[in-house]
Amino acid sequence: EPEVTQTPSHQVTQMGQEVILRCVPISNHLYFYWYRQILGQKVEFLVSFYNNEISEKSEIFDDQFSVERPDGSNFTLKIRSTKLEDSAMYFCASSGGYTGELFFGEGSRLTVL
Amino acid sequence: AQRVTQPEKLLSVFKGAPVELKCNYSYSGSPELFWYVQYSRQRLQLLLRHISRESIKGFTADLNKGETSFHLKKPFAQEEDSAMYYCARSPPLSSGSARQLTFGSGTQLTVLP
Repeated sequence: EPEVTQTPSHQVTQMGQEVILRCVPISNHLYFYWYRQILGQKVEFLVSFYNNEISEKSEIFDDQFSVERPDGSNFTLKIRSTKLEDSAMYFCASSGGYTGELFFGEGSRLTVL
Repeated sequence: AQRVTQPEKLLSVFKGAPVELKCNYSYSGSPELFWYVQYSRQRLQLLLRHISRESIKGFTADLNKGETSFHLKKPFAQEEDSAMYYCARSPPLSSGSARQLTFGSGTQLTVLP
């Protein structure tokens, strides 16, 4: 069964460093998403991506964040200059259409020191 | 603002007992409601959605627009039902928004032997 895969599973970085989290969505899916979950808190929407552009973003997704699909398979989340409060589990998801079923990856845990 | 409230962080029941996980949502048009589940060491996955009116693994959820609730129920809990359950909502299909899910804070269900 096809799955969304994410790398790395865990990354530790120093405050101020750039981080790129990678995702390989399910191959025939059209919609891509990033969510995050700070420890002990809710899963929060960051951004959705469709047709090679951002379709929705939350207020969390400020200028420090960017997404791209560089090669038609990977979907990346870049944090330009990490802050302590960026420490969280980041989930990538994809969906095949307007069905509401999102398929999630296992997450990338980011720890900012 | 779209809100999803799950009042119980933790819920324990004995095997064979009925279980109900509560979910309330803020009224905003006609949202679509979902239950996602995360078993230990596994990824978030869709359990059921209100538009399908289906029963999955013995679970059902009825949308009550009057009470703005979407409680998840199962008449006879099994040990393998132990997991974190998230209620989620998205804008209605007609709104033109991508599937931006707003999650509740989750309920950790433990089914005791």
